[in-house]
Amino acid sequence: ETGVTQTPRHLVMGMTNKKSLKCEQHLGHNAMYWYKQSAKKPLELMFVYSLEERVENNSVPSRFSPECPNSSHLFLHLHTLQPEDSALYLCASSQDTASKAFFGQGTRLTVV
Amino acid sequence: AQTVTQSQPEMSVQEAETVTLSCTYDTSESNYYLFWYKQPPSRQMILVIRQEAYKQQNATENRFSVNFQKAAKSFSLKISDSQLGDTAMYFCAFMKGTSGSRLTFGEGTQLTVNP
Repeated sequence: ETGVTQTPRHLVMGMTNKKSLKCEQHLGHNAMYWYKQSAKKPLELMFVYSLEERVENNSVPSRFSPECPNSSHLFLHLHTLQPEDSALYLCASSQDTASKAFFGQGTRLTVV
Repeated sequence: AQTVTQSQPEMSVQEAETVTLSCTYDTSESNYYLFWYKQPPSRQMILVIRQEAYKQQNATENRFSVNFQKAAKSFSLKISDSQLGDTAMYFCAFMKGTSGSRLTFGEGTQLTVNP
């Protein structure tokens, strides 16, 4: 248990659905991240938040919309996804953007 | 459940020298993959090297090589001719061989290469 909790653990959604992934940490960290792990590709950084401000967006399609309402919570809102978006989505947090990251267990997303 | 342990939170090495990062894991699976990821200050996760458990030959990628000891469940990373750009956090990770399995990460080792 790293202190970073992701819900749900598994999610199946249709291409027209809207769903959200949630990440929560009570480690007192100020930076949070979303990563995507696809079946045959290395881990990809999607978004970086520092002090609730988005500091990086690595060319992620607009059908993925992050939200960081406070330093303890990070959401990834999903809308009109494609089957190729099926992957494991990992959340991580760190004290600041220069410190060691702690990873959640991930949400396994399947788009049908 | 799988566990991955990196017992060295921090390491340092002089430029051009060799350093070895340790990783041990625990699993009851017979089919799995092991990885070393590098995380520079940009926070990207860069795949350094990958090893299939069924392969006895140790994986090598340029200056990076592993010592995979399956019976001992050990998977260390050796970096030869260390460069300043190798300074980063290094994560060891485990993945079951079934399709779509998640990565289980170790705690990470912060490597600093000194000039």
